[in-house]
Amino acid sequence: DGGITQSPKYLFRKEGQNVTLSCEQNLNHDAMYWYRQDPGQGLRLIYYSQIVNDFQKGDIAEGYSVSREKKESFPLTVTSAQKNPTAFYLCASSLRDSVTDTQYFGPGTRLTVL
Amino acid sequence: AQRVTQPEKLLSVFKGAPVELKCNYSYSGSPELFWYVQYSRQRLQLLLRHISRESIKGFTADLNKGETSFHLKKPFAQEEDSAMYYCALRGMDSNYQLIWGAGTKLIIKP
Repeated sequence: DGGITQSPKYLFRKEGQNVTLSCEQNLNHDAMYWYRQDPGQGLRLIYYSQIVNDFQKGDIAEGYSVSREKKESFPLTVTSAQKNPTAFYLCASSLRDSVTDTQYFGPGTRLTVL
Repeated sequence: AQRVTQPEKLLSVFKGAPVELKCNYSYSGSPELFWYVQYSRQRLQLLLRHISRESIKGFTADLNKGETSFHLKKPFAQEEDSAMYYCALRGMDSNYQLIWGAGTKLIIKP
């Protein structure tokens, strides 16, 4: 299970603050993903990266930002522009970004806005 | 519109009974279909996928293109099958990104 890690497990943020969620993988995967999970809903894609120094917006990118400076790291910043940031955030990686490649998930970070 | 629908939020069956978790999809092309599972206090993980045509932990899923369904089945449920199950699809129309259903919580009663 140490292949993909997320930190912290729980995160509390005051309104107006930016926070950064960490995602690291040692699987030598090219592709990495950030999802948001809300109660009663499926996962929704925030951002994804197919290769280092490149990333694309997902379905709900507004209010979020990412970087992919290293292959093993894909941090997600939740900015103050995100109006409803309280959610469970999942990071995933796959060998490549293809139809058949399996995505492997981290344990998640639960973000709560106070 | 591309969509995955899991009509049951909760499914409760007795141990030894058959299980069927429903998944319907709306997609214009030919997607790849997946079932992911999350056991209590564990990570979300792939259970099986259509392209592999495999049986994992006794579960199978058949793609029915006519009914646009990919239901997950197991003939005899076991207590360790209790988990959250998600159906997902991926294809060219979704830019090869996964589109997820809302999930079904499966509870196996002893």
